[in-house]
Parts: sequence; structure tokens; C-alpha cells
Amino acid sequence: DAGVTQSPTHLIKTRGQHVTLRCSPISGHKSVSWYQQVLGQGPQFIFQYYEKEERGRGNFPDRFSARQFPNYSSELNVNALLLGDSALYLCASSRLGTGYTGELFFGEGSRLTVL
Amino acid sequence: AQSVTQLDSQVPVFEEAPVELRCNYSSSVSVYLFWYVQYPNQGLQLLLKYLSGSTLVKGINGFEAEFNKSQTSFHLRKPSVHISDTAEYFCAVSEGGGGADGLTFGKGTHLIIQP
Repeated sequence: DAGVTQSPTHLIKTRGQHVTLRCSPISGHKSVSWYQQVLGQGPQFIFQYYEKEERGRGNFPDRFSARQFPNYSSELNVNALLLGDSALYLCASSRLGTGYTGELFFGEGSRLTVL
Repeated sequence: AQSVTQLDSQVPVFEEAPVELRCNYSSSVSVYLFWYVQYPNQGLQLLLKYLSGSTLVKGINGFEAEFNKSQTSFHLRKPSVHISDTAEYFCAVSEGGGGADGLTFGKGTHLIIQP
């Protein structure tokens, strides 16, 4: 079975632009989470979606938004990009929603550079 | 709120020597604990997890970790390391509850294996 797939793998944007990152979960997984990993730091939680509904949100500004589609794939959108948004954006999927234990399966990430 | 402290940002070890990577957490409730590994330019891979039961947990690639509730620690160990173990290691905690708060990661420990 295919793992979590993310696109694009790398992208460069300029300040003020908008970006959309995409994620396809492992087949059978209904939950998708997004994490931001700044260079030299651990991943930070942005969103969790389960069954197409937002179930959790980290401490990120409203410029960050996401959605989950009927096929359980997901998009992360970031508006009005800042230099500080440069990071590796990781998508993770899991099988569980309620009774969630935290075990996540990660994609290889989308590396965003903001100039 | 939960937090994770990885006490060492870098750990150099000679090949075939034992290693311990330290992790302490703080949380006001029962937690689930994880160790993830990240190889260069890749996503995160689960090494092992503690959900409940035995405090000694065995994972992939010969790694194990011990949950110590009184010390609020979850240190990762391997009796004999190999060059291929060179990677970034992240300790993470989840308070469960449907995953609304996601996983909280430490800043990571870079394990450097010296020949």
C-alpha cells in the first residue's frame, strides 16, 4: 500500500503570496493532521481533520487554513506568506478518530521557502 | 498544557557502542509517549510507543524505551548502534482525547555515529 503522499515536494514563494499544499492519506485512514517543522526544531501541530471536520487546531494565525475532502485527502492553505513561514510542512494520517492514541504515519513533507 | 524536553541537541557515539537519548515530559493527565526518527530529507517514522501496560517498550531497529512515571521520563536506548542509525530523533507526547491537541514534539536529538 502507498504511504502518505504530499505535493509539491519543494516550492519557492515570495512574501505576501498564497500557497496550497496537498496530502493523500494512507488508504483506509480517515484522519489527517498537518505539522510545521522549522529548521532545527521539532514539528508543531497545525490542524487535525477527521471525517472531513476540523477536530483540532494548534496555535497558528488565521492565515493558515485547511480542509479535508470526501476521499479524505487534504489541503493546507497559507495566505499572506511571511519569511517565517519557511519550513517543512508535514502531513500525517491515522486510522483512528475517537480513542485516538497519537500514532501517526507521516509523509515526506513539502519544503516551502519564502523569499 | 503538555511539553517535551529533549535534554541533548546532539549525541556523538562510536559505532557499536550503546546510546541513550533522554526525554522528559510534563503533563497534568495521563499521556501516550512516542519516539520518532527522521532521516535526512525524509518524513518521520515511528520507532516505538508507550500507551499503557509494561513500562519497557521495544521498537524497531533494536531500540527500546522505558516509561518512568515518577521521573516523567521516556528515555530511548540501543545497546549497539550502527552507522545507519545516524538521524534526528524526536520524542513526542499525546494526551489522547480524540487528538484535538495533536502531538507535542521535543526539539529533537541529532544522533551522530562515529566510525
